[in-house]
Amino acid sequence: AQRVTQPEKLLSVFKGAPVELKCNYSYSGSPELFWYVQYSRQRLQLLLRHISRESIKGFTADLNKGETSFHLKKPFAQEEDSAMYYCALSGPGSARQLTFGSGTQLTVLP
Amino acid sequence: GAVVSQHPSRVICKSGTSVKIECRSLDFQATTMFWYRQFPKQSLMLMATSNEGSKATYEQGVEKDKFLINHASLTLSTLTVTSAHPEDSSFYICSATLPVPSGNTIYFGEGSWLTVV
Repeated sequence: AQRVTQPEKLLSVFKGAPVELKCNYSYSGSPELFWYVQYSRQRLQLLLRHISRESIKGFTADLNKGETSFHLKKPFAQEEDSAMYYCALSGPGSARQLTFGSGTQLTVLP
Repeated sequence: GAVVSQHPSRVICKSGTSVKIECRSLDFQATTMFWYRQFPKQSLMLMATSNEGSKATYEQGVEKDKFLINHASLTLSTLTVTSAHPEDSSFYICSATLPVPSGNTIYFGEGSWLTVV
């Protein structure tokens, strides 16, 4: 069965500090991993996906198949990064049914 | 960019009544849409896969007779909560996939808050 684990429900860092949101997954095959962000009172939106290997809003995430992890990192957190972050997994195919982690609420303190 | 819209954004209904939530893909055709449910401070749980022109596929533990899904067109899926009870109160979110060659990007609706009183 596929599963996504985000061990931290809450994470607080000070502005300018590095931040890492942890995500581990289990999947028998080659999944696609995503990070979604939900700002207060807004819809869920894609932050980044592992196949793109891009940096969005200063965030990066590297898929580590050995450790089955897809941690989200940013070297210098900003107050506007405060939001709920969800790690998600999708199996192959075009339908894109997602399995979500439980989410991490990030608060960046001034 | 592609947009998925849900309506209504908030609805309050009496226990025992039915309520319908719409999910529309505004500028693309979606053969498949997904319905999720999110309880406060919890993650999104997939309820069902809505397939245009065919029956929805429900996840284990989701009552198909209670949560009726209709995907009658390529831009509209509806979720009807029948004989609603207070425990059905939740945040319901739909998603649709913008297919290749746009990269199979998933877009989410803004969600619908259902309160059953």
